Order: sequence, then C-alpha cells, then structure tokens
Amino acid sequence: DGGITQSPKYLFRKEGQNVTLSCEQNLNHDAMYWYRQDPGQGLRLIYYSQIVNDFQKGDIAEGYSVSREKKESFPLTVTSAQKNPTAFYLCASTKEGTLDYGYTFGSGTRLTVV
Amino acid sequence: QKEVEQNSGPLSVPEGAIASLNCTYSDRGSQSFFWYRQYSGKSPELIMSIYSNGDKEDGRFTAQLNKASQYVSLLIRDSQPSDSATYLCAVNTGRRALTFGSGTRLQVQP
Repeated sequence: DGGITQSPKYLFRKEGQNVTLSCEQNLNHDAMYWYRQDPGQGLRLIYYSQIVNDFQKGDIAEGYSVSREKKESFPLTVTSAQKNPTAFYLCASTKEGTLDYGYTFGSGTRLTVV
Repeated sequence: QKEVEQNSGPLSVPEGAIASLNCTYSDRGSQSFFWYRQYSGKSPELIMSIYSNGDKEDGRFTAQLNKASQYVSLLIRDSQPSDSATYLCAVNTGRRALTFGSGTRLQVQP
C-alpha cells in the first residue's frame, strides 16, 4: 500500500542535541511538507519542497533544516538552535505537485525535550 | 486577522444530532477548501474537499462553501460518539502550501 512513513513515532531530545525526523513516501508525489503542531493549535509550516534538490522555508523555519536528495525522502533536522522543539511533527505530500487534492499525511513524530 | 479562523470549541452535541462546524478565511483568491478530522494523538485525515460554491455531500458529511462571504462549513448528520475529534479547516490560497485553522473540537455525547 502507498503512503507516507514517519519515524520514529516518539523521540526524546536532550538540550543542545540535533535530532533528525524521517519522512519517506512511496506515492510518487512531487511535493512534500513539514508542519509542526502544538497542543490546541493548528499546523504551522516549517519547510516544503516541490522538486528534488530544492526546498523553501515556511513560516517557522528557524532552528530547522531539511534536505531533498531523493523524491521519496524529506528528512527534517531539529537543531539546537530551536529553543522550544517539543511538538507533534507532521510530514505531508501532494499528488502531482498541486494543492487541489489536499495532503496525504504521515502518522507523525512526537518530539519531547528532556 | 488570522488567515483561516475556526472556533476552538468544544462543540458538544448529543448523539444523533447535526453538528455544524464553521470556518472563515481572509484571502478572496482562495481556490480549494478541505476538512480534516484529527483524533487525539493521531495525524489528520481528509474527509471532505470542496471547490465551488454550494453544497457537497458525502455520506453523513456535507461541506458548504460561500466564496462571497468567505466561509466554509461542515455538517455532520446523525452524529456518533466516534465523530468526536478535532476538525481542521484547510485552505488553498494559491500560494505554496495549505493554510490551516486551529481546529474545532467536537464532542458527541452518547
């Protein structure tokens, strides 16, 4: 079955650590997105990529980095510069690079600072 | 003004009633509109999309769009306890990515 796989499901980060969240899709979608969700809030855009080897900052990119070396993969690194990283992170993709069909979401990664 | 606004709720309805969820948006150029359902601790799942003015029905769900008034709504008929979730409104404004509201929490009381 096609879909988006995010791993790990739960991640714990110590102060000053960088951590990487994985997002892999086998839907042959061109565009991929990373969102952050805080309790009781909507989704805020971190980064997005519409083609391989290209990505753009979203509304809250500070303290995060991404890469898009393969069409199937769009990993997100939460760096030590992100001072409040505890949140639910969602990866999404869209069919044929258009927003008209909405997103397919992965199951999410819950990141906690310890 | 937020780009996409929703009442955070909770909206509480008795089982079997109609639940009405509303969403307003600020960009008149917005092109397509989506409703996602999100259970606690889970990722959002797409339940309805709507592109033109009027109503669109799918089973117990009806999406309504009024571009002149810049609102989109979701009606859930015969509400069930399993419908208890947060409902996110998302809008395609023609820019880079969907813009989401903060969601409305629905509680269906058995």
